[in-house]
Amino acid sequence: DTEVTQTPKHLVMGMTNKKSLKCEQHMGHRAMYWYKQKAKKPPELMFVYSYEKLSINESVPSRFSPECPNSSLLNLHLHALQPEDSALYLCASSQVQVNTEAFFGQGTRLTVV
Amino acid sequence: DQQVKQNSPSLSVQEGRISILNCDYTNSMFDYFLWYKKYPAEGPTFLISISSIKDKNEDGRFTVFLNKSAKHLSLHIVPSQPGDSAVYFCAANLPNDYKLSFGAGTTVTVRA
Repeated sequence: DTEVTQTPKHLVMGMTNKKSLKCEQHMGHRAMYWYKQKAKKPPELMFVYSYEKLSINESVPSRFSPECPNSSLLNLHLHALQPEDSALYLCASSQVQVNTEAFFGQGTRLTVV
Repeated sequence: DQQVKQNSPSLSVQEGRISILNCDYTNSMFDYFLWYKKYPAEGPTFLISISSIKDKNEDGRFTVFLNKSAKHLSLHIVPSQPGDSAVYFCAANLPNDYKLSFGAGTTVTVRA
């Protein structure tokens, strides 16, 4: 199994809503990532979890709250988002070592209205 | 500040011919480079990588070349196939860093 599964595929939410994005992998990877990709731009790193602990936060606003309940799951909790937060949110996983490839999910297309 | 640059936003190539995608970087500390392929509505898929201690890596139809002195790498796809039509991202790692720095991507269209 070399898949990273993200749900939902699409999400429309209002600025006062609370929603969560979910990511799951069963490759035994202990590093998991959230990336954000705006249209016609490259993916930008948001968070990195290593052994279920947050190791990197790329100065992401607190309206984005990551959570890693176990070694297979990664969540991104969303609250009070702005329309400019509309983007493709990508989850990825890898072995906990540098110089290794990350495997990406298909992403959640988020629209904030 | 974009440290990884793909200056060609698009490339059109005939089926069976070679596709050459270019990538430049500004940070000489990058020591690992990757190419990802992305179809619409899907996440990036890893294609091939190269360590800074090498200047070439080959995997089937895909070959990546690294020129450290020029801070330049390229991806060659031979022969190009219609299924290769996608967006290709170049990415780079710093030593002991999990963060991937991506280029803006090049859209490849393979014509029949």
